[in-house]
Amino acid sequence: DTGVSQDPRHKITKRGQNVTFRCDPISEHNRLYWYRQTLGQGPEFLTYFQNEAQLEKSRLLSDRFSAERPKGSFSTLEIQRTEQGDSAMYLCASSSGQGVWQYFGPGTRLTVT
Amino acid sequence: QQQVKQSPQSLIVQKGGISIINCAYENTAFDYFPWYQQFPGKGPALLIAIRPDVSEKKEGRFTISFNKSAKQFSLHIMDSQPGDSATYFCAASRETSGSRLTFGEGTQLTVNP
Repeated sequence: DTGVSQDPRHKITKRGQNVTFRCDPISEHNRLYWYRQTLGQGPEFLTYFQNEAQLEKSRLLSDRFSAERPKGSFSTLEIQRTEQGDSAMYLCASSSGQGVWQYFGPGTRLTVT
Repeated sequence: QQQVKQSPQSLIVQKGGISIINCAYENTAFDYFPWYQQFPGKGPALLIAIRPDVSEKKEGRFTISFNKSAKQFSLHIMDSQPGDSATYFCAASRETSGSRLTFGEGTQLTVNP
C-alpha cells in the first residue's frame, strides 16, 4: 500500500502528558499537511510543509504544538502538556506540486483523560 | 469565521435515488473545490473536484455543479447505493495560499436499501 500512513492510530493519554504522532506521506510528495478533526465537524487546517520547510501555521496551533519534517519525508506532530480540549482526530495529508490534490491518511485519534 | 457552509447536515435517501448536497463559500479567491467522502474511523477520501472556470464536472455517478456568480457548488450522487452511506465534506482552497483546505461542516448521508 503506497498511501499516506499514520502512527499510532489511537492514543490515550492523561492530561499534562506529551504525545507525538508520525505521518509518512506518499512517496515523493513534496507537500505535507496536518489537520485536526473533532467529532461531527470538518477537518481544520493546522500547518503544512513544502519539503522540509514549514510554510504556514494556523492560529489553532498553540505554543504547545510543534511539527517537524526533518528530511522532507515523514513528519511528526508533538503536543506538549496535553489538555482535554486536544482530544480529536489528527489527520495528515500529502500532495505533489502546489498541493491541489491532497490525499489523507487514516488519522490518529487522540483521547486525553 | 466559517468560510464554507454546507447543507443539509444529514440526508436520508432511498436506494436508486438522487442525493444532493449543497455548499456556499465566501472567499472569491478560492480556486479549487473538492468533495471528500469519509467513512467512520477513516480519513477523508478525495471523491471529485472542480475549478471555477467549469460549471459542471461528472465522474461516474458523481457530479459537481458550480455557480460562480452565486458562490455555490453542489454534489449530486445519482443512483445512490447503500455503500454510499458516509459523511461528505465540501472544501475549498486557494493555490496561492498553500492550497490549505477549508472544509464545510459535513453531511451525513444514509442510503436505505
